[in-house]
Amino acid sequence: DQQVKQNSPSLSVQEGRISILNCDYTNSMFDYFLWYKKYPAEGPTFLISISSIKDKNEDGRFTVFLNKSAKHLSLHIVPSQPGDSAVYFCAASLGNEKLTFGTGTRLTIIP
Amino acid sequence: ETGVTQTPRHLVMGMTNKKSLKCEQHLGHNAMYWYKQSAKKPLELMFVYSLEERVENNSVPSRFSPECPNSSHLFLHLHTLQPEDSALYLCASSQEFKDTQYFGPGTRLTVL
Repeated sequence: DQQVKQNSPSLSVQEGRISILNCDYTNSMFDYFLWYKKYPAEGPTFLISISSIKDKNEDGRFTVFLNKSAKHLSLHIVPSQPGDSAVYFCAASLGNEKLTFGTGTRLTIIP
Repeated sequence: ETGVTQTPRHLVMGMTNKKSLKCEQHLGHNAMYWYKQSAKKPLELMFVYSLEERVENNSVPSRFSPECPNSSHLFLHLHTLQPEDSALYLCASSQEFKDTQYFGPGTRLTVL
């Protein structure tokens, strides 16, 4: 049973526009969520996180939104830049337990 | 060196070989992790070490054997692997068990 799902395996966005990456989870007890970015042949890099007590966290061009009632997490990147092309993983954790990762979404920014 | 390093970056081995993957973290973290990433699958957590003690083993076949000699080093010993074990093996570390994890670049393993 996959507890964290990223239903879009790929996404293409024009440079300068907004990229929206989505993530759904099934365990309502998750209390901490993260987004990671991964370039080919490199390990994932932490991008941004949000605690379940918040519904929004912003860091520069990156904003993460949390909708607890819908068990939905999204990452907004605006404006999108060519260097944002990568695979994005969302992850969730419960209390002191390990992170559970989604399958990833490949984002391609079109110049 | 800073962050999390992994060696080798690429490894090709036969099914009868024995090899080891090495991970080193320079962040003063207390927890270290081995993940397997196969194409179109979620990252699979294999092992977790916290304060050099194994705290999690997610039903990983015995042909994978982890070793954590100290809080900065983590090894994954491989023997009699199968072709389906070909994947990217990622090491990560975090300050404590639940904290944000920092990943190494991974070892691309191919089993022939």
